[in-house]
Amino acid sequence: KAGVTQTPRYLIKTRGQQVTLSCSPISGHRSVSWYQQTPGQGLQFLFEYFSETQRNKGNFPGRFSGRQFSNSRSEMNVSTLELGDSALYLCASSPQQGGTNEKLFFGSGTQLSVL
Amino acid sequence: AQKVTQAQTEISVVEKEDVTLDCVYETRDTTYYLFWYKQPPSGELVFLIRRNSFDEQNEISGRYSWNFQKSTSSFNFTITASQVVDSAVYFCALSEEGNAGNMLTFGGGTRLMVKP
Repeated sequence: KAGVTQTPRYLIKTRGQQVTLSCSPISGHRSVSWYQQTPGQGLQFLFEYFSETQRNKGNFPGRFSGRQFSNSRSEMNVSTLELGDSALYLCASSPQQGGTNEKLFFGSGTQLSVL
Repeated sequence: AQKVTQAQTEISVVEKEDVTLDCVYETRDTTYYLFWYKQPPSGELVFLIRRNSFDEQNEISGRYSWNFQKSTSSFNFTITASQVVDSAVYFCALSEEGNAGNMLTFGGGTRLMVKP
């Protein structure tokens, strides 16, 4: 089974631009979560989607948004990029077969650099 | 609000030494889950263990062992006879039952360097 796939692996943008990151979960997994990792703030939860609905949301501004498609693939979007948005963005999936607080399977992340 | 603290930011040991990574958590929920993840240089976090708040039994998996103590709100991780391949950043994380999902609160991580 293929693991969690995130594209692109690296991305360079300039301030003010917007960016879309993609995540394909493990086949059969229905929950997709996104995390931001920075040296200063560590790993922070962005949002979680299950069955195309946002189930949880972290404490991030509205510039950060996401969605999930019917095939469970997910995208996150950051508009009006700021220098502080430079980070490794990690996607994780879980089977979500009626349970919660499951173990997560992570992708290798998208390294976003904002210049 | 939930919080996870990993006081050791970096640990350096020589191969074959035992090493313990500390994790202290805070939560108001009576039902919660604790996790450890390993992050090698490639970036993806790799799941190591999940423990619920009602199961205080210690667990051993090969060279890895975990000590869960609710009385001190700690969930420590020990690697016995460390190896160079154990070099990575290790994260402790907490998930509360009340979140109705898979939202994790991570500690700051401990970078473990195992030297040959």
